[in-house]
Amino acid sequence: QVQLQESGPGLVKPSETLSLTCAVSGGSISSYSWSWIRQPPEKGLEWIGYISNSGSTNYSPSLKSRTTISVDTSRNQFSLRVTSVTAADTAVYYCARMLLGRQGYYGLDVWGQGTTVTVSS
Amino acid sequence: DIQMTQSPSSVSASVGDRVTITCRASQGISSWVAWYQKKPGMAPKFLIYAASNLQSGVPSRFSGGGSGTDFTLTISSLQAEDFATYYCQQANSFPWTFGQGTKVEIK
Repeated sequence: QVQLQESGPGLVKPSETLSLTCAVSGGSISSYSWSWIRQPPEKGLEWIGYISNSGSTNYSPSLKSRTTISVDTSRNQFSLRVTSVTAADTAVYYCARMLLGRQGYYGLDVWGQGTTVTVSS
Repeated sequence: DIQMTQSPSSVSASVGDRVTITCRASQGISSWVAWYQKKPGMAPKFLIYAASNLQSGVPSRFSGGGSGTDFTLTISSLQAEDFATYYCQQANSFPWTFGQGTKVEIK
């Protein structure tokens, strides 16, 4: 079965770039579309964006100007970059697989365990 | 963006109780709703998709319903492992949005 594992620095300085990677095991990354989601402390879930199996992307308007999601098929992993981070970007970051149905995406059926990113000097 | 509003924000219940959580969309989204269970320190778990379809492996005491703007998640007989926070999410259009969560607590 497919498993996801996030990795990246746990501490990022304000104004710098947050970079995370999600390694996909147990299946080909090219067969699915993939999302990033985050949860700030004591808050709810926030969808960040996704990359499709054809390479197209879509981002939350609140993060669009600072966010890039990319795929490395040779390594079977995908990545998230958020530039110019502030304390408001402190959160647990999750990667997840998107479940595709006949008429569209149904939701997020497989999740990584999450990685905590703190923005602080 | 489509806003998803859950109610109640929290509910206290006992093992064996029937619990219903409501999610309202700010515009019609047909049946494009998913539900997740979230426990502290763990990844969200995918419970229901397309409003009423149970994800494989999810116990049958969970059920979902609704269409248009109003949706429900029902736990027919609450078990100890069900105490968690539940989120609805609309998959009708991007950006995907989540409800604010409903915490199911032990009474």
